[in-house]
Amino acid sequence: DTEVTQTPKHLVMGMTNKKSLKCEQHMGHRAMYWYKQKAKKPPELMFVYSYEKLSINESVPSRFSPECPNSSLLNLHLHALQPEDSALYLCASSARQGLMSEKLFFGSGTQLSVL
Amino acid sequence: KQEVTQIPAALSVPEGENLVLNCSFTDSAIYNLQWFRQDPGKGLTSLLLIQSSQREQTSGRLNASLDKSSGRSTLYIAASQPGDSATYLCAVPYGGATNKLIFGTGTLLAVQP
Repeated sequence: DTEVTQTPKHLVMGMTNKKSLKCEQHMGHRAMYWYKQKAKKPPELMFVYSYEKLSINESVPSRFSPECPNSSLLNLHLHALQPEDSALYLCASSARQGLMSEKLFFGSGTQLSVL
Repeated sequence: KQEVTQIPAALSVPEGENLVLNCSFTDSAIYNLQWFRQDPGKGLTSLLLIQSSQREQTSGRLNASLDKSSGRSTLYIAASQPGDSATYLCAVPYGGATNKLIFGTGTLLAVQP
Protein backbone atom coordinates (compact mmCIF):
# COMPACT_ATOMS: atom_id res chain seq x y z
CA ASP A 1 0.00 0.00 0.00
CA THR A 2 1.66 3.22 -1.21
CA GLU A 3 -1.20 5.59 -0.54
CA VAL A 4 -1.94 8.36 1.88
CA THR A 5 -5.70 8.47 2.42
CA GLN A 6 -7.49 11.63 3.52
CA THR A 7 -11.09 12.03 4.62
CA PRO A 8 -13.34 13.79 3.97
CA LYS A 9 -12.54 14.97 0.42
CA HIS A 10 -14.74 18.04 0.84
CA LEU A 11 -15.90 19.84 3.99
CA VAL A 12 -18.10 22.88 4.50
CA MET A 13 -18.28 24.29 8.00
CA GLY A 14 -19.51 27.36 9.81
CA MET A 15 -17.27 29.53 11.95
CA THR A 16 -18.70 28.06 15.16
CA ASN A 17 -18.40 24.42 14.14
CA LYS A 18 -15.87 21.85 15.31
CA LYS A 19 -14.68 19.35 12.71
CA SER A 20 -11.75 17.01 12.14
CA LEU A 21 -9.70 16.04 9.13
CA LYS A 22 -8.26 12.54 9.04
CA CYS A 23 -5.21 11.07 7.36
CA GLU A 24 -3.96 7.48 7.23
CA GLN A 25 -0.89 5.75 5.78
CA HIS A 26 0.26 2.15 6.00
CA MET A 27 3.73 2.53 4.50
CA GLY A 28 5.49 2.47 7.86
CA HIS A 29 6.68 6.06 7.44
CA ARG A 30 8.02 7.71 10.60
CA ALA A 31 7.04 11.28 9.73
CA MET A 32 3.67 12.80 8.86
CA TYR A 33 2.77 16.31 7.81
CA TRP A 34 -0.05 18.81 7.40
CA TYR A 35 0.21 21.38 4.59
CA LYS A 36 -2.21 24.16 3.68
CA GLN A 37 -2.66 25.26 0.07
CA LYS A 38 -4.62 28.32 -0.99
CA ALA A 39 -5.90 28.53 -4.55
CA LYS A 40 -3.16 29.04 -7.15
CA LYS A 41 -0.48 29.12 -4.43
CA PRO A 42 2.14 26.55 -3.40
CA PRO A 43 1.58 24.39 -0.32
CA GLU A 44 2.74 25.80 3.02
CA LEU A 45 3.91 23.63 5.89
CA MET A 46 1.79 23.66 9.05
CA PHE A 47 2.88 20.76 11.28
CA VAL A 48 5.33 17.85 11.29
CA TYR A 49 5.05 14.75 13.46
CA SER A 50 8.09 12.53 13.86
CA TYR A 51 7.70 9.20 15.65
CA GLU A 52 4.22 10.31 16.79
CA LYS A 53 5.53 13.45 18.47
CA LEU A 54 4.98 17.00 17.24
CA SER A 55 8.36 18.20 16.04
CA ILE A 56 7.48 21.28 13.99
CA ASN A 57 4.70 23.85 14.36
CA GLU A 58 5.07 26.64 11.83
CA SER A 59 3.38 29.24 14.06
CA VAL A 60 -0.07 27.94 13.19
CA PRO A 61 -3.05 29.55 15.03
CA SER A 62 -4.44 27.49 17.90
CA ARG A 63 -7.76 27.04 16.12
CA PHE A 64 -5.89 24.28 14.27
CA SER A 65 -5.01 21.40 16.60
CA PRO A 66 -3.06 18.39 15.28
CA GLU A 67 -3.12 14.94 16.81
CA CYS A 68 -1.20 11.75 16.03
CA PRO A 69 -2.97 8.82 17.76
CA ASN A 70 -0.53 6.25 16.34
CA SER A 71 2.12 5.86 13.68
CA SER A 72 -0.45 5.39 10.90
CA LEU A 73 -2.96 8.11 11.74
CA LEU A 74 -2.89 11.90 11.75
CA ASN A 75 -5.81 14.17 12.59
CA LEU A 76 -6.32 17.90 12.30
CA HIS A 77 -8.99 19.27 14.63
CA LEU A 78 -10.65 22.50 13.53
CA HIS A 79 -12.48 24.96 15.78
CA ALA A 80 -13.68 28.52 15.33
CA LEU A 81 -12.19 28.85 11.87
CA GLN A 82 -12.34 32.00 9.77
CA PRO A 83 -13.39 32.28 6.11
CA GLU A 84 -9.74 32.95 5.19
CA ASP A 85 -8.92 29.44 6.43
CA SER A 86 -10.71 28.02 3.40
CA ALA A 87 -8.10 26.03 1.48
CA LEU A 88 -6.96 22.59 0.39
CA TYR A 89 -5.47 20.77 3.38
CA LEU A 90 -2.89 18.19 2.40
CA CYS A 91 -1.52 15.38 4.49
CA ALA A 92 1.79 13.74 3.67
CA SER A 93 4.13 11.10 5.00
CA SER A 94 7.79 10.64 4.18
CA ALA A 95 10.45 8.02 3.73
CA ARG A 96 14.15 8.65 4.32
CA GLN A 97 16.27 8.65 1.16
CA GLY A 98 19.97 8.77 1.85
CA LEU A 99 21.31 10.56 4.91
CA MET A 100 19.66 13.95 4.54
CA SER A 101 16.57 13.61 2.38
CA GLU A 102 12.93 12.78 2.91
CA LYS A 103 10.76 11.76 -0.04
CA LEU A 104 7.18 12.94 0.50
CA PHE A 105 3.99 11.08 -0.37
CA PHE A 106 0.86 13.23 -0.41
CA GLY A 107 -2.80 12.45 0.00
CA SER A 108 -5.43 13.94 -2.33
CA GLY A 109 -6.38 16.55 0.22
CA THR A 110 -9.50 17.90 1.92
CA GLN A 111 -11.05 20.93 0.24
CA LEU A 112 -12.31 23.03 3.16
CA SER A 113 -14.79 25.88 2.88
CA VAL A 114 -15.53 28.03 5.93
CA LEU A 115 -18.75 30.02 5.74
CA LYS B 1 15.56 33.36 3.92
CA GLN B 2 15.16 30.76 1.19
CA GLU B 3 13.04 31.81 -1.78
CA VAL B 4 12.09 29.49 -4.63
CA THR B 5 10.76 30.75 -7.94
CA GLN B 6 9.73 29.00 -11.13
CA ILE B 7 9.72 30.29 -14.67
CA PRO B 8 7.57 30.31 -16.68
CA ALA B 9 4.41 30.55 -14.58
CA ALA B 10 2.42 28.95 -17.39
CA LEU B 11 3.34 27.11 -20.57
CA SER B 12 1.29 25.72 -23.45
CA VAL B 13 2.91 23.40 -25.99
CA PRO B 14 1.73 21.07 -28.74
CA GLU B 15 1.86 17.35 -28.13
CA GLY B 16 5.23 15.74 -28.88
CA GLU B 17 7.33 18.79 -28.06
CA ASN B 18 10.29 18.61 -25.68
CA LEU B 19 10.18 21.23 -22.93
CA VAL B 20 12.14 22.62 -19.99
CA LEU B 21 10.80 23.95 -16.71
CA ASN B 22 13.02 26.12 -14.53
CA CYS B 23 13.41 26.42 -10.77
CA SER B 24 15.61 28.96 -8.95
CA PHE B 25 16.48 29.12 -5.25
CA THR B 26 18.33 31.82 -3.34
CA ASP B 27 20.19 29.76 -0.70
CA SER B 28 22.45 27.14 -2.28
CA ALA B 29 23.00 25.28 1.02
CA ILE B 30 20.35 22.66 0.28
CA TYR B 31 20.33 18.94 1.01
CA ASN B 32 18.25 18.06 -2.03
CA LEU B 33 15.67 19.33 -4.48
CA GLN B 34 12.42 17.60 -5.35
CA TRP B 35 10.10 17.98 -8.32
CA PHE B 36 6.38 17.32 -7.87
CA ARG B 37 3.35 17.21 -10.12
CA GLN B 38 -0.11 18.38 -9.02
CA ASP B 39 -3.34 17.81 -10.90
CA PRO B 40 -6.18 20.32 -10.30
CA GLY B 41 -7.69 19.99 -6.82
CA LYS B 42 -5.50 17.00 -6.02
CA GLY B 43 -2.47 16.18 -3.94
CA LEU B 44 1.13 16.23 -5.09
CA THR B 45 3.00 13.35 -6.67
CA SER B 46 6.75 13.15 -6.23
CA LEU B 47 8.49 12.88 -9.59
CA LEU B 48 12.20 13.12 -8.87
CA LEU B 49 14.45 13.78 -5.87
CA ILE B 50 18.01 14.97 -6.52
CA GLN B 51 20.48 14.70 -3.67
CA SER B 52 22.86 17.66 -3.19
CA SER B 53 25.76 15.43 -4.29
CA GLN B 54 24.04 14.54 -7.56
CA ARG B 55 23.78 16.55 -10.74
CA GLU B 56 20.78 14.87 -12.30
CA GLN B 57 18.10 12.22 -11.98
CA THR B 58 16.07 10.50 -14.68
CA SER B 59 12.73 8.72 -14.65
CA GLY B 60 11.23 7.70 -17.96
CA ARG B 61 10.68 10.82 -20.08
CA LEU B 62 11.67 13.09 -17.20
CA ASN B 63 15.16 14.37 -16.45
CA ALA B 64 15.95 16.78 -13.65
CA SER B 65 19.27 18.56 -13.20
CA LEU B 66 20.66 20.45 -10.23
CA ASP B 67 23.32 23.18 -10.17
CA LYS B 68 23.70 24.22 -6.54
CA SER B 69 26.35 26.85 -7.21
CA SER B 70 24.06 28.81 -9.49
CA GLY B 71 20.91 28.05 -7.49
CA ARG B 72 19.09 26.41 -10.37
CA SER B 73 17.31 23.22 -11.32
CA THR B 74 15.63 22.26 -14.57
CA LEU B 75 13.01 19.61 -15.33
CA TYR B 76 13.18 18.33 -18.90
CA ILE B 77 10.12 16.55 -20.29
CA ALA B 78 10.67 14.66 -23.52
CA ALA B 79 7.98 14.00 -26.12
CA SER B 80 5.23 15.69 -24.12
CA GLN B 81 1.74 14.15 -23.97
CA PRO B 82 -1.67 15.61 -23.03
CA GLY B 83 -1.52 13.52 -19.85
CA ASP B 84 1.49 15.59 -18.77
CA SER B 85 -0.80 18.60 -18.32
CA ALA B 86 -0.57 19.63 -14.66
CA THR B 87 1.17 22.08 -12.34
CA TYR B 88 4.83 21.26 -11.70
CA LEU B 89 6.40 22.38 -8.43
CA CYS B 90 9.96 22.23 -7.19
CA ALA B 91 10.77 22.19 -3.49
CA VAL B 92 13.84 22.41 -1.24
CA PRO B 93 14.34 21.88 2.49
CA TYR B 94 14.74 25.04 4.57
CA GLY B 95 15.66 26.14 8.07
CA GLY B 96 18.43 23.58 8.36
CA ALA B 97 15.89 20.77 8.53
CA THR B 98 15.59 17.81 6.20
CA ASN B 99 11.80 17.57 6.47
CA LYS B 100 10.64 21.17 6.09
CA LEU B 101 10.01 21.90 2.43
CA ILE B 102 9.49 25.25 0.80
CA PHE B 103 7.78 25.02 -2.57
CA GLY B 104 8.31 27.06 -5.68
CA THR B 105 5.59 29.13 -7.28
CA GLY B 106 4.81 26.40 -9.81
CA THR B 107 4.52 26.12 -13.60
CA LEU B 108 1.12 25.32 -15.07
CA LEU B 109 1.71 23.14 -18.13
CA ALA B 110 -0.88 22.51 -20.85
CA VAL B 111 -0.03 20.03 -23.60
CA GLN B 112 -2.38 20.46 -26.55
CA PRO B 113 -3.40 17.35 -28.53
